[in-house]
Amino acid sequence: DADVTQTPRNRITKTGKRIMLECSQTKGHDRMYWYRQDPGLGLRLIYYSFDVKDINKGEISDGYSVSRQAQAKFSLSLESAIPNQTALYFCATSEGRRGVRDTQYFGPGTRLTVL
Amino acid sequence: GNSVTQMEGPVTLSEEAFLTINCTYTATGYPSLFWYVQYPGEGLQLLLKATKADDKGSNKGFEATYRKETTSFHLEKGSVQVSDSAVYFCALSVNSGNTPLVFGKGTRLSVIA
Repeated sequence: DADVTQTPRNRITKTGKRIMLECSQTKGHDRMYWYRQDPGLGLRLIYYSFDVKDINKGEISDGYSVSRQAQAKFSLSLESAIPNQTALYFCATSEGRRGVRDTQYFGPGTRLTVL
Repeated sequence: GNSVTQMEGPVTLSEEAFLTINCTYTATGYPSLFWYVQYPGEGLQLLLKATKADDKGSNKGFEATYRKETTSFHLEKGSVQVSDSAVYFCALSVNSGNTPLVFGKGTRLSVIA
């Protein structure tokens, strides 16, 4: 079984809809991240969380929100989706204060299309 | 600030050719350096890393040496295979991992038989 899972894997929605992307991990890691990937732009950080009570904005947080429901779960929401949020979204994890903090492990991605 | 610059792709090579993908960085302090690989339809996975100057990371025939004097971490492989076709990302970590990784924009490699 995969250590970092994302649901759904693919989603097509309409402008203005609220969308939630979910990420779960069985690695026991404290830290979780959300990125989006666009052609030619690489990976851009949306939000990150170093533990359940710690949420931080990344480079491109506008239009997104997150919830860290438990150590193992980190959800990304688009409150009112717009077409330029069409992208591939990745969740990642890393160890916390005890362990190798700088290596991240990625989920398989969610392809989101906003019409 | 902290940043990573890698060569733009796409890079197209014939099987068994030599590969170099350039990566240079700007960072405060002493970063750790990484190469991640993304195969078609998959998430990123760690390919190799180096945590201090002159360290060489290696995996699956790929190598990269942490060069502090040139602030570089170029990825090399002596003989590429079709199965190496993927997008390669250079990344750095500062502050002992207490800030998120900084990624380059990725370089797409296509290897043809």
